[in-house]
Amino acid sequence: KAGVTQTPRYLIKTRGQQVTLSCSPISGHRSVSWYQQTPGQGLQFLFEYFSETQRNKGNFPGRFSGRQFSNSRSEMNVSTLELGDSALYLCASRQSYNEQFFGPGTRLTVL
Amino acid sequence: GENVEQHPSTLSVQEGDSAVIKCTYSDSASNYFPWYKQELGKRPQLIIDIRSNVGEKKDQRIAVTLNKTAKHFSLHITETQPEDSAVYFCAAITWDDKIIFGKGTRLHILP
Repeated sequence: KAGVTQTPRYLIKTRGQQVTLSCSPISGHRSVSWYQQTPGQGLQFLFEYFSETQRNKGNFPGRFSGRQFSNSRSEMNVSTLELGDSALYLCASRQSYNEQFFGPGTRLTVL
Repeated sequence: GENVEQHPSTLSVQEGDSAVIKCTYSDSASNYFPWYKQELGKRPQLIIDIRSNVGEKKDQRIAVTLNKTAKHFSLHITETQPEDSAVYFCAAITWDDKIIFGKGTRLHILP
């Protein structure tokens, strides 16, 4: 079974731009979650999608948004990028009431 | 809202000694408790998990214990080795299938 994949792996943007990150979950997993991780920090929860609906949301500003498609693939969008948005963005998928499998992450640098 | 508290945030142990990381959860109906290890530059990966109908689970040098009455669970690593140096995250899955992570413990194995 293929693991969780994320594209792109690395991204460099400038302040004010917007960015879209993509995540393909493990086949059969309907839940996809997104996390932001900065150096030395934990996993900051952004949101979770389940069957194309946002099921849970963390405490991030509205500049951070996401969606999920009928094939469970998910995208995350950040608009009006700020320097503080530089981070590793992790996507994870799971089946209900089971472990999460993480993707390799997208490292975003905002200049 | 639901919460998972993890202690300590940093732990240094001599190689060969044992390490213990503790987590407390707030939702008494939580039923699944995974532990993840994140090595430097890598994604978090599951190392052991326990469900609420079991009090203890072991896998070689790693064990997890669960006390449902006190609502806490712990990770025990015996005979620590240099490759155990990493950040460890505990998590709990709530009655409504939300996964909540602790803030992480940075474990240093001293030579």
